Amino acid sequence: DNVMTQSPLSLPVTLGQPASISCRSSQSLVFRDGNTYLNWFQQRPGQSPRRLIYNVSNRDSGVPDRFSGSGSGTDFELKISRVEAEDVGVYYCMQGTHWPRTFGQGTKVEIK
Amino acid sequence: QVHLQQSGPGLVKPSQTLSLTCAISGDSVSSNGAAWNWIRQSPSRGLEWLARTYYRSEWFNDYALSVKSRITINPDTSKNQFSLQLNSVTPEDTAVYYCARDRYGDYDDIFDIWGQGTVVTVSS
Repeated sequence: DNVMTQSPLSLPVTLGQPASISCRSSQSLVFRDGNTYLNWFQQRPGQSPRRLIYNVSNRDSGVPDRFSGSGSGTDFELKISRVEAEDVGVYYCMQGTHWPRTFGQGTKVEIK
Repeated sequence: QVHLQQSGPGLVKPSQTLSLTCAISGDSVSSNGAAWNWIRQSPSRGLEWLARTYYRSEWFNDYALSVKSRITINPDTSKNQFSLQLNSVTPEDTAVYYCARDRYGDYDDIFDIWGQGTVVTVSS
């Protein structure tokens, strides 16, 4: 299976400061249709995962513009420009290019 | 607005069958532009995709190799829902189980909507 590796696994941040999460794939995520199926999910405590970003850099409806995704091939990044209290939770990358779909281990974002 | 509502028991005895249902509102289980998934989450295995069902003039199912011998996903068009059955469960199957949707069009829109999750404990 394609392995997704996130870093760091724990990210203490100060309110109002930026945060960045890295995700690396064991294989290129460029699909034969030209798309790169790399999504980011946020899971707040006690909730289901919620998709934030699809296909590397497209924000889902209702997602604040302080969230952005970038990257290509095997290396991807989720950035939060200014962390707010409601951003506390675990963030997962997921690849949909190779079967089966696989997730990263998760990065726990907490406020310092 | 699409909503997925999960139901099913939270406690299953070892060696028995885990059965969950995901009821769909705002979309159709037999939509040619969608697919319907089961995913689980546990501390030991993280988030793990388990199964998918979709209709493209006929029904197709895909399963994770780790559970393929024990799992069945079934659509129910009369109730607009789909179900998961996992046989011969062990404590390792203890997890939060989620249903989730894919949409297909110009690109694959993967896991855009999730159910609320069902905590399933395998214990005697």
